[in-house]
Amino acid sequence: GQQLNQSPQSMFIQEGEDVSMNCTSSSIFNTWLWYKQDPGEGPVLLIALYKAGELTSNGRLTAQFGITRKDSFLNISASIPSDVGIYFCAGHLGASGTYKYIFGTGTRLKVLA
Amino acid sequence: DTAVSQTPKYLVTQMGNDKSIKCEQNLGHDTMYWYKQDSKKFLKIMFSYNNKELIINETVPNRFSPKSPDKAHLNLHINSLELGDSAVYFCASAPGFRGNEQFFGPGTRLTVL
Repeated sequence: GQQLNQSPQSMFIQEGEDVSMNCTSSSIFNTWLWYKQDPGEGPVLLIALYKAGELTSNGRLTAQFGITRKDSFLNISASIPSDVGIYFCAGHLGASGTYKYIFGTGTRLKVLA
Repeated sequence: DTAVSQTPKYLVTQMGNDKSIKCEQNLGHDTMYWYKQDSKKFLKIMFSYNNKELIINETVPNRFSPKSPDKAHLNLHINSLELGDSAVYFCASAPGFRGNEQFFGPGTRLTVL
């Protein structure tokens, strides 16, 4: 099935560092969502993006809808231990893709105190 | 109040059994989904309902049958369970199906022995 390429697959960072991750695809999307999943829980919505070029922040998190509509980026500033988890992007295909979201493969973030 | 709830949280059963997972949302949303998350944490859509009507039916064995008695509920019934059905199943809901924000339940971990 369809899949979004998400990178990096995993990363270890020091507390206080900034983090960047991205999702890329050959498909064009009309909405991007970013989620965080903690162990044993469901994904929690962090940021939603609806327009190409849109830049949206939620606290220390900033996400951007790529201008080509084929990619999206998430940045976390000044990471803290509770940022640990798996981050997923999801792109919506619209009418051409039967109105479904495709999920990225996830970025596993580990923060060293 | 929990926005999207699922029962049970854990389900352990023998091969060949039939089981159901229930989902309820109190967000007033029109669209509900079932996703399967495998051991590598990849999230894949299975089904989607909009106003009780099936709109997405991915390539899923016909042992899986969703049912939406009303807009707030979407259940998943699985017949003749197989080892490969072991996974975490997530319910999600959205205001609509055209690329809206999507909210996930806490998941049901199904283990088939």
